[in-house]
Amino acid sequence: AQSVAQPEDQVNVAEGNPLTVKCTYSVSGNPYLFWYVQYPNRGLQFLLKYITGDNLVKGSYGFEAEFNKSQTSFHLKKPSALVSDSALYFCAVRDAVTGGGNKLTFGTGTQLKVEL
Amino acid sequence: DVKVTQSSRYLVKRTGEKVFLECVQDMDHENMFWYRQDPGLGLRLIYFSYDVKMKEKGDIPEGYSVSREKKERFSLILESASTNQTSMYLCASSLAGSSNQPQHFGDGTRLSIL
Repeated sequence: AQSVAQPEDQVNVAEGNPLTVKCTYSVSGNPYLFWYVQYPNRGLQFLLKYITGDNLVKGSYGFEAEFNKSQTSFHLKKPSALVSDSALYFCAVRDAVTGGGNKLTFGTGTQLKVEL
Repeated sequence: DVKVTQSSRYLVKRTGEKVFLECVQDMDHENMFWYRQDPGLGLRLIYFSYDVKMKEKGDIPEGYSVSREKKERFSLILESASTNQTSMYLCASSLAGSSNQPQHFGDGTRLSIL
């Protein structure tokens, strides 16, 4: 079975400060990990993914994420937050060894609020 | 750019009605998915499809069915709508083959069952 946890329902950060949105996962094999962002009344937009290789993954809009196998974490980061980054963020995981269909398991989401 | 289009942004139906939610993608993706999104629960998979006429149950299929007669279209059917099916419904698609492909989402249908 695969699962993902986002321990924070909401993260507040001041504009210009670094931000971190946390994600931990559980899979029986190797993980494929994804971050998505959802703006109000919109669907999810893909931000970045980790498949293999470099533990630091860079994605859209200046976001990056760090894969840590020993801590089974994949935290989303940005060096300098913008008010326009305020949105709902979802982490998702897929076990690389399970069968086809690209079935993802999503976390419950973290609301990011960036204030002036 | 991949475009996933859901036919309605907002829909209001009555208890007991049969409800159809339509989703069309324009990138020739093999995989298509239906999720529901509820506050505090994230996204939960209802059904998915690998190919035309193929379907697989997700985590919460009860009360739902799906139809995929053409590759680009994936329909979600609420056989007899109930108030606990009031939710945001999201459709997604992805390429088959490599499982590291991201899913592409539509803008959702906010369904209210009265």
